[in-house]
Amino acid sequence: EVRLLESGGGLVQPGGSLRLSCAASGFTFSDYAMSWVRQTPGKGLEWVSDVRDTADRTYYADSVKGRFIGSRDNSKNTLYLQMNSLRAEDSALYYCAKFRGAQSEYDSWGQGTLVTVSS
Amino acid sequence: DTPMTQSPSSLSASVGDRVTITCRASQSIRGYLNWYQQKPGKAPKLLIYAASSLQSGVPSRFSGSGSDTDFTLTISSLQPEDFATYYCQQSYSTPQTFGQGTKLEIK
Repeated sequence: EVRLLESGGGLVQPGGSLRLSCAASGFTFSDYAMSWVRQTPGKGLEWVSDVRDTADRTYYADSVKGRFIGSRDNSKNTLYLQMNSLRAEDSALYYCAKFRGAQSEYDSWGQGTLVTVSS
Repeated sequence: DTPMTQSPSSLSASVGDRVTITCRASQSIRGYLNWYQQKPGKAPKLLIYAASSLQSGVPSRFSGSGSDTDFTLTISSLQPEDFATYYCQQSYSTPQTFGQGTKLEIK
């Protein structure tokens, strides 16, 4: 059974940093690209970042480019999102999600970790 | 970017009803369209991928159709557990984009 377990969320002041983690199990982690997707009541579901299977390619939404860094450690079956220069509009529930294949769907999601940016 | 527009935003229906939700892409996404169901407090769950393929374990009352820019999700006979929010998502190009969601409520 595929399991994705996010952690690292919390309350942080504007301008601060957080590092999210997503621990994966139940599949060969190094074979699959992974994503971070966030959700807010106002903006719905928003794609944040992709990290390809070999971690040599990463992609970012314009809204986080230059501030967030996606990475992975295939030896630890873990996906990361380093979030810097956080803004109030980054407050959201952050999910990690597994791609089934190229240009494909997310066939598994974690339960999410909540990030709140507020003074 | 490829904005995705779902309609309606909300829908009231009864158990046993046939329901259709529409998703429109701002440009052709060929068949790279996926549908997810989300219940309160839970992560999205994949229902339909590649416009019309049923994800394993999903009941056959769910079906998808369409191509290029216009897509539909149909639930043939609503069951109590189907009341949830439904999202479409295009996976043709980065950034992957989602529709704004359709909340399906009990009439």
